[in-house]
Amino acid sequence: GAVVSQHPSWVICKSGTSVKIECRSLDFQATTMFWYRQFPKQSLMLMATSNEGSKATYEQGVEKDKFLINHASLTLSTLTVTSAHPEDSSFYICSARDRDEHRSQYFGPGTRLTVL
Amino acid sequence: GQNIDQPTEMTATEGAIVQINCTYQTSGFNGLFWYQQHAGEAPTFLSYNVLDGLEEKGRFSSFLSRSKGYSYLLLKELQMKDSASYLCVREGYGGSQGNLIFGKGTKLSVKP
Repeated sequence: GAVVSQHPSWVICKSGTSVKIECRSLDFQATTMFWYRQFPKQSLMLMATSNEGSKATYEQGVEKDKFLINHASLTLSTLTVTSAHPEDSSFYICSARDRDEHRSQYFGPGTRLTVL
Repeated sequence: GQNIDQPTEMTATEGAIVQINCTYQTSGFNGLFWYQQHAGEAPTFLSYNVLDGLEEKGRFSSFLSRSKGYSYLLLKELQMKDSASYLCVREGYGGSQGNLIFGKGTKLSVKP
């Protein structure tokens, strides 16, 4: 089946630094990728929708200047958390939609971010 | 809003059957997913319903009633490894098509 990878799987950083998370579709082409955030004991919340070659669409309340999304190719999207603060500590999960299977969304394994 | 309601927690016994219900807002509805999520892991796909009726897949079955805005996930022959959160996920139509709105999840505990 379709596989989505994320890197890194976990990261610890100091407050004020920036962290980049990569999301890759390994065996399919993804025209659309989604970024989610999940706080402990809460459900996933969609942050933004990323379409290859165009600007990401952010959900209400998500700062686009803080969470930079780049979807440069059909297999790679990146999320950069700029000037991270402890409240940004969360589980970040990406999903990718297979270009040839319109209904599918395959999830990456997630990235655990801890900001000290 | 796009409220999705499902029970917060459920407990069942190994080998038993459990049904997890979900209600959702019907306007702009396109389809309904069920995902399983173990603690600390990403969700994994279980089922997708777009038409009314029951779809069976091994020990898991999912039912949808579009007119009632209602779905359930049925788990048979429960195993300990089924202890997880089960997410009812609504797929929007039109502007939000393909974007998933997640319920808060039902934490299922399977006891011996």
